[in-house]
Amino acid sequence: RKEVEQDPGPFNVPEGATVAFNCTYSNSASQSFFWYRQDCRKEPKLLMSVYSSGNEDGRFTAQLNRASQYISLLIRDSKLSDSATYLCVVNAEYGNKLVFGAGTILRVKS
Amino acid sequence: ETGVTQSPTHLIKTRGQQVTLRCSSQSGHNTVSWYQQALGQGPQFIFQYYREEENGRGNFPPRFSGLQFPNYSSELNVNALELDDSALYLCASNQRELTGELFFGEGSRLTVL
Repeated sequence: RKEVEQDPGPFNVPEGATVAFNCTYSNSASQSFFWYRQDCRKEPKLLMSVYSSGNEDGRFTAQLNRASQYISLLIRDSKLSDSATYLCVVNAEYGNKLVFGAGTILRVKS
Repeated sequence: ETGVTQSPTHLIKTRGQQVTLRCSSQSGHNTVSWYQQALGQGPQFIFQYYREEENGRGNFPPRFSGLQFPNYSSELNVNALELDDSALYLCASNQRELTGELFFGEGSRLTVL
């Protein structure tokens, strides 16, 4: 079983749509959780951290369920510029070794 | 831009050769991590360096080795290259005492023929 598993993509959605990505992780001792965004042929960049209480940043909402070892990302009112690969990321129990999921491709079309 | 710079950006090698990739960390960061990203996959952790010592290693063979220098810059060395080593190699830096965001360079794209 992979340490971090994500929804298979790609997700093709029209502008203005709401889209949700799901992710599960296997290491119950994981402490920190993130969503990174990666544009085509570019480096990953932090989109947002994920907290147990849930957190929102504009059109983006992240949720964490530690009991189910489940992380989600909701994007509202999708924009063309949201087209990218979204990587679910978990911090292993030691140090800052980040474990990445394989990523989910989002394509927003006009 | 993150301030993490990598070189070279692209390179082509043949099987059995050796390669050295370089990374300059962002100012103020004391930890460097290396990741391998194959096409269509997420980045895979290779190893991490803190204060010039290896501080964690992923599931990569010993022919993957590294160094960190006193100025916190780093090198990744891969010996006896194999076709499957073709990938984007990403360097990321952070301040070890702070758990959270890693700052990635744009990567070195290695093709092994």
